[in-house]
Amino acid sequence: KAGVTQTPRYLIKTRGQQVTLSCSPISGHRSVSWYQQTPGQGLQFLFEYFSETQRNKGNFPGRFSGRQFSNSRSEMNVSTLELGDSALYLCASSSDGTGYNEQFFGPGTRLTVL
Amino acid sequence: AQKVTQAQTEISVVEKEDVTLDCVYETRDTTYYLFWYKQPPSGELVFLIRRNSFDEQNEISGRYSWNFQKSTSSFNFTITASQVVDSAVYFCALIYNFNKFYFGSGTKLNVKP
Repeated sequence: KAGVTQTPRYLIKTRGQQVTLSCSPISGHRSVSWYQQTPGQGLQFLFEYFSETQRNKGNFPGRFSGRQFSNSRSEMNVSTLELGDSALYLCASSSDGTGYNEQFFGPGTRLTVL
Repeated sequence: AQKVTQAQTEISVVEKEDVTLDCVYETRDTTYYLFWYKQPPSGELVFLIRRNSFDEQNEISGRYSWNFQKSTSSFNFTITASQVVDSAVYFCALIYNFNKFYFGSGTKLNVKP
């Protein structure tokens, strides 16, 4: 099985712009979670989607949003970018909806905001 | 509140030494899972182990072993006879309530030849 894929791998944007990141989960996985990783804050949970519904959300401002499509692929959008949004954004997929299975992570998208 | 503490920010050892990475968690839930992940320099997190709150059995997998103690809310990870390839950042994580993960801040392990 192919692993979790994320595109693009690297992205450079300027303040005020918006960005969309994409994640394709492992085939058959219906749960997709997003995380932000920064040196200062570590790994922080953004949100989780299951069957096109947002099931959980972390403590991030409304500028961070996401969605999941019927094929389980997910996108994350950040509007009005700030310098502090520079981070590695990780996507993870999980096989079912129990909430306790291990998550398989993608390689991440490195976002740099100038 | 849920919380995962990895007090060791960075550890350096010489190859073949044993090393233990500490993880202390905090939760009021009776049902939860604990995980360890490895993040090599490439950046992709790799799953190592999962343990549920009802199973306190220790586990050994090759050079890796895990010690889960509910009495002290700890889930420590030991690498025996460390190797250079073990160099990475290791994260302990707590999951409860449908895929809501809390990650510790990570421990960077440097294994020198």
